[in-house]
Order: sequence, then structure tokens, then C-alpha cells
Amino acid sequence: GENVEQHPSTLSVQEGDSAVIKCTYSDSASNYFPWYKQELGKRPQLIIDIRSNVGEKKDQRIAVTLNKTAKHFSLHITETQPEDSAVYFCAASIKNQAGTALIFGKGTTLSVSS
Amino acid sequence: NAGVMQNPRHLVRRRGQEARLRCSPMKGHSHVYWYRQLPEEGLKFMVYLQKENIIDESGMPKERFSAEFPKEGPSILRIQQVVRGDSAAYFCASSKGYEQYFGPGTRLTVT
Repeated sequence: GENVEQHPSTLSVQEGDSAVIKCTYSDSASNYFPWYKQELGKRPQLIIDIRSNVGEKKDQRIAVTLNKTAKHFSLHITETQPEDSAVYFCAASIKNQAGTALIFGKGTTLSVSS
Repeated sequence: NAGVMQNPRHLVRRRGQEARLRCSPMKGHSHVYWYRQLPEEGLKFMVYLQKENIIDESGMPKERFSAEFPKEGPSILRIQQVVRGDSAAYFCASSKGYEQYFGPGTRLTVT
């Protein structure tokens, strides 16, 4: 079955720096890769996603890149702010269709210090 | 447009009791998913349902756990004869396409 690995598990940056989180997946059938942000005690919030027919997607300070050949995808946050501090999860769909379970990475705890 | 709703938000059960967790999807969403999150861990897929159908239950333990999404009313995740290891946050998500939106979760504590 699908397996998603996420690195690093913790990441500390200074305000204004960039942060990069990387994930790899195992199943070539996966075609949808979302990223979620979860603050302590809150629900996971979808922040950006990418499908396999796209190599890169950007939304303001957040971007995601996908390399389908190498089976890895990354989250890039530029000009980090203290409010970016949270746990970030990557995920991959288990099937090549909408309406499918997601397999999550173990998360990256991002700390942005001012 | 209300988001995904879950209740109760907190649930305390003694070992051996039953836990019932409810999830109402976002309006217009026909897909419901249940995930479990243990402290300081990622989300683990349990089950995926559409109205009156279980589509994928590959992540759900074979015993004591069941899920339904009836024609009317919320989706329900039922855990019978709870044990301490069932203590976790249970999140449901809903979608109508690829994007899944999560509810606030139910934090189950088994004493």
C-alpha cells in the first residue's frame, strides 16, 4: 500500500527565512497531494494541493512542487512569520481518482521565532 | 456555508463502554472519511463512506469498530467495548471532489 515519508520532523527558522518540507511517496497510482496545517488542538486545514499533471503551484507565500518521476513533493514557505508556526502534514491519495483516502506523513513541527 | 461538524467535541468513556461519534459533512459533499490521530502523530485513515455505502474500510480495525452514513442524518463512527488504546482524536473530513475538509474532531478519552 501507499507509504508517505516526511522530513524533517522539526524545523526551526527565523522570521523572514524560508522553510522547506519534503515528502516522498511509494505508489505511482497516487495523483493528488495536499498539504495541511494543524495548530495545537485544532483541525487540520488544507493550505495548498497539487495534482500529478502539474509540476508546481503557488499561492502567495506558499508553493508546492511535485516530481512524479522521483515520487517526491515539497512545500515551500517564504518570508515566514510567527503565525506560520504549526504542524504541517503532507498526504497522498491512494487511488488515481477523486473521492479516495489520503495517506499522511508523520508531520513537521515548524517553529518561527521573531 | 457551515463547515464539517462533529459532535461531541470531547467524550469520556470507561473501559468496556460504547462510543458514538457523529459527523455532518459540508453542504453538497457526498464523501465522508474518518481518520484517527494519536498524540503527536499523523492522521491514520480508517474508513471512507458515501451515502448508505462503505467504499473503503481498509484502515478500520476488524473488531469493535463500525461506521455508517445513512440516507438521512450524520455519519456515525461506533466503537464498542472501548479500551485505553482507543483514546485519540477522531477527525472526519468531507469532500465532493479531491479536496477534503476536516471537522474539529472528537477527543475520546477512555478511563
